[in-house]
Amino acid sequence: DTAVSQTPKYLVTQMGNDKSIKCEQNLGHDTMYWYKQDSKKFLKIMFSYNNKELIINETVPNRFSPKSPDKAHLNLHINSLELGDSAVYFCASSNTDGYTFGSGTRLTVV
Amino acid sequence: DQQVKQNSPSLSVQEGRISILNCDYTNSMFDYFLWYKKYPAEGPTFLISISSIKDKNEDGRFTVFLNKSAKHLSLHIVPSQPGDSAVYFCAASKGGATNKLIFGTGTLLAVQP
Repeated sequence: DTAVSQTPKYLVTQMGNDKSIKCEQNLGHDTMYWYKQDSKKFLKIMFSYNNKELIINETVPNRFSPKSPDKAHLNLHINSLELGDSAVYFCASSNTDGYTFGSGTRLTVV
Repeated sequence: DQQVKQNSPSLSVQEGRISILNCDYTNSMFDYFLWYKKYPAEGPTFLISISSIKDKNEDGRFTVFLNKSAKHLSLHIVPSQPGDSAVYFCAASKGGATNKLIFGTGTLLAVQP
């Protein structure tokens, strides 16, 4: 029973398209995140939501729009995809004990 | 500006020996440090953490040491096992385990049988 699940696992799409990545956690955590791991392996926070409210937005281009319909879900929508958006995107959730990460979505923009 | 640095991209160790992974940070406001382990095509999994009020935390084969004056932490794995082969990320945060994590770039550990 996966704690933090994200779909799809792989996504290949053309430049200019709009795509979404979904994330769900069944841990009852209040806080959820999106992290991006780029080609240089840097793992950086993009967004954080606490109980459906945005609390961290790390100067991410506004083509990226997170949406949290409830505290168990945090989706990431990306408009007008660019080559530089190619990366692995990790969803995570946390409580006072720490983070649990999903297995990642590898996005390739061609 | 990379606030958390892991200067060794890779490390190879014989099974049974000690693995020592190092991490340096620049921001003195960090008060919580974590190590994550990552296998290919999986997300990072939590390994061990340490608060800035401590200088050592031990969990089984894993020990994390924190030297605040040097802004340096290290992860010791003793004895190393082939299943420990993975990428290890150091991370730091201000205000505890649930705040924004700043990650290092990772060290690939290969434990040779």
